[in-house]
Amino acid sequence: DADVTQTPRNRITKTGKRIMLECSQTKGHDRMYWYRQDPGLGLRLIYYSFDVKDINKGEISDGYSVSRQAQAKFSLSLESAIPNQTALYFCATSAVLAGGPTDNEQFFGPGTRLTVL
Amino acid sequence: QKEVEQDPGPLSVPEGAIVSLNCTYSNSAFQYFMWYRQYSRKGPELLMYTYSSGNKEDGRFTAQVDKSSKYISLFIRDSQPSDSATYLCAMKEGGSYIPTFGRGTSLIVHP
Repeated sequence: DADVTQTPRNRITKTGKRIMLECSQTKGHDRMYWYRQDPGLGLRLIYYSFDVKDINKGEISDGYSVSRQAQAKFSLSLESAIPNQTALYFCATSAVLAGGPTDNEQFFGPGTRLTVL
Repeated sequence: QKEVEQDPGPLSVPEGAIVSLNCTYSNSAFQYFMWYRQYSRKGPELLMYTYSSGNKEDGRFTAQVDKSSKYISLFIRDSQPSDSATYLCAMKEGGSYIPTFGRGTSLIVHP
């Protein structure tokens, strides 16, 4: 079973629509992240959360919002989708470890391919 | 200029070749250096992890960090078609929990 799941896996929507992407994890990690990946631009951080009551903006948060419903669930919303938000979206998690060799390794979900027409 | 520069490729090599993937960076505070591998239609997975300068070897893979030149490399020996993927470098400052990713290099190993 996948440790980090994302729904939906693919979504086509129209300009102006509100859309929510959901992420769930069974790894027991406190930290969760949302990234978008565009060809030639790599991974860019949208939002991150270090626990249920902590939400932080990343480098490209405009046009997005998030909700951390529980330790295991972190949702990303596009309030009014626009075509340049067409991208591959990844959720990731990481644990709080004390000086381990892979401290803060990020574990990624399979991605959601979003197309905004 | 981005903090982390990585040539997107694609890099196409024959099976059995030695592959060299590289990243340069500008932030001298980076202390942790990672390589992630991303297969098509999958999320990235951590492949190698290095702290500070030096080399680290894991099977056919060797990660190398030269902090004086702000340059990191990933070498793949005896490359296989199953190594075909996008390789992303990532770097992190000491005490930070958020890595900075390179754009990724697409590698194609043909039989």
